[in-house]
Amino acid sequence: AQSVAQPEDQVNVAEGNPLTVKCTYSVSGNPYLFWYVQYPNRGLQFLLKYITGDNLVKGSYGFEAEFNKSQTSFHLKKPSALVSDSALYFCAVGQTGANNLFFGTGTRLTVIP
Amino acid sequence: GAVVSQHPSWVICKSGTSVKIECRSLDFQATTMFWYRQFPKQSLMLMATSNEGSKATYEQGVEKDKFLINHASLTLSTLTVTSAHPEDSSFYICSALMMTGDSRRNQPQHFGDGTRLSIL
Repeated sequence: AQSVAQPEDQVNVAEGNPLTVKCTYSVSGNPYLFWYVQYPNRGLQFLLKYITGDNLVKGSYGFEAEFNKSQTSFHLKKPSALVSDSALYFCAVGQTGANNLFFGTGTRLTVIP
Repeated sequence: GAVVSQHPSWVICKSGTSVKIECRSLDFQATTMFWYRQFPKQSLMLMATSNEGSKATYEQGVEKDKFLINHASLTLSTLTVTSAHPEDSSFYICSALMMTGDSRRNQPQHFGDGTRLSIL
């Protein structure tokens, strides 16, 4: 069975500092990993995905994520946080041949000016 | 590209009313659409998976007679909450998967902006 864990409900970071939002997963077979961002009263926006290939994935708005198979992690990172990055971030995992995704519980990122 | 429009964005209605929510893929064809429910400060709960031209697949615990899903075309899926009650109040989000020739590649889901349903 698939599962996703986002251990931090809330992450606070100062503007200009690097940010990390953590995600670990459990899946049988090869994982497909996604990060989405949600702004208030909006749906989810796709940031980036890992399917195969380079472990470091670059996505939208300067975000990147590193796939670590041994640690079963897919942490989201950004070198320099912006106030506008403040939002709710979801990690999700899927499996080969399956279209549905399993979402983590979300991490609320607050970037402090 | 890959825009999903969800309508209405906000609904307030009396208990017992049926409410229809539309999910449209505006610039692509979607083989599969998903319907989620999101409670405050919680993650998305998958309610059902909808494939064009076939019956929706509901997740365990979701009443198919309560939440009617129709996926009549490759660009439109609808969710009807029948005889809605206050406990049905929630944020409902749809997403769509683009048709792709390589079914083995997992494509990202493209989400609508959600519908906030409030039942009085």
